[in-house]
Amino acid sequence: KAGVTQTPRYLIKTRGQQVTLSCSPISGHRSVSWYQQTPGQGLQFLFEYFSETQRNKGNFPGRFSGRQFSNSRSEMNVSTLELGDSALYLCASSLNGDRSSYNSPLHFGNGTRLTVT
Amino acid sequence: QKEVEQNSGPLSVPEGAIASLNCTYSDRGSQSFFWYRQYSGKSPELIMFIYSNGDKEDGRFTAQLNKASQYVSLLIRDSQPSDSATYLCAVKVLAAGNKLTFGGGTRVLVKP
Repeated sequence: KAGVTQTPRYLIKTRGQQVTLSCSPISGHRSVSWYQQTPGQGLQFLFEYFSETQRNKGNFPGRFSGRQFSNSRSEMNVSTLELGDSALYLCASSLNGDRSSYNSPLHFGNGTRLTVT
Repeated sequence: QKEVEQNSGPLSVPEGAIASLNCTYSDRGSQSFFWYRQYSGKSPELIMFIYSNGDKEDGRFTAQLNKASQYVSLLIRDSQPSDSATYLCAVKVLAAGNKLTFGGGTRVLVKP
C-alpha cells in the first residue's frame, strides 16, 4: 500500500508570494492533518480535515488555510509568505476519524521543504 | 510549562546497550501516546503507540506508560548505530480528533 504522498518535495518562494502544498493520504484514510516543523518550534499542529471538513485548527494566523477533497486528498495554502514560514511542512493521514479514537496512529508523508527568501 | 516535555539530549549510548527515553505530559486528558523516530532531513516514522498503563513491547522497543505520574518512556534494547536519530514523543488528547502534540524530541547517538 502506498504511503502518504506530498508534492512538491522542495519549494523556494519569495516574501509576499503564496504557495499551495498537496497531500494524498494512504488509501482508505479519511483524516488528514498538517504540521509545521522548524528547528526552533519543533512540530506544530496546523489543522486536521475529515470528510472535507476542518475539525481542528492550531494556533496559526489566517494566512494558513487548507481544504480536503471528496477523495480525501488535501491541500494547504499559505498566503503572503513571510521569512518565518520557512519550514518542513508535513502531512499525516489516519484511518480512524472518530473524535474519540485513541488507537489510530498518524502516518507522515516525506514533507515539503519550503524556503522563503 | 510545555505540554509535552522531553530531554533534548544528545543521549549517547554504546552499541548493544539499552537506550532509555523519557517523556512527561501535562494534560490529564491525554489518551494515547506515540513514539516517532526521525532521521535528519527525513519525516517522522511511527515506532509504536500505547494507551494503557504498563508496558508494550514491539521487537527491540518497549513503551511504558504511567498515567498517574503523567509519564511515558521508550526503551531501545540492543541499540544499533542505525538507531541514531531524534525520537519524538506525541500525545493525543481525548476528543481532540487526530491532533497530536509533540515534545521537542530526544537526539540519540549510538556509538559503535
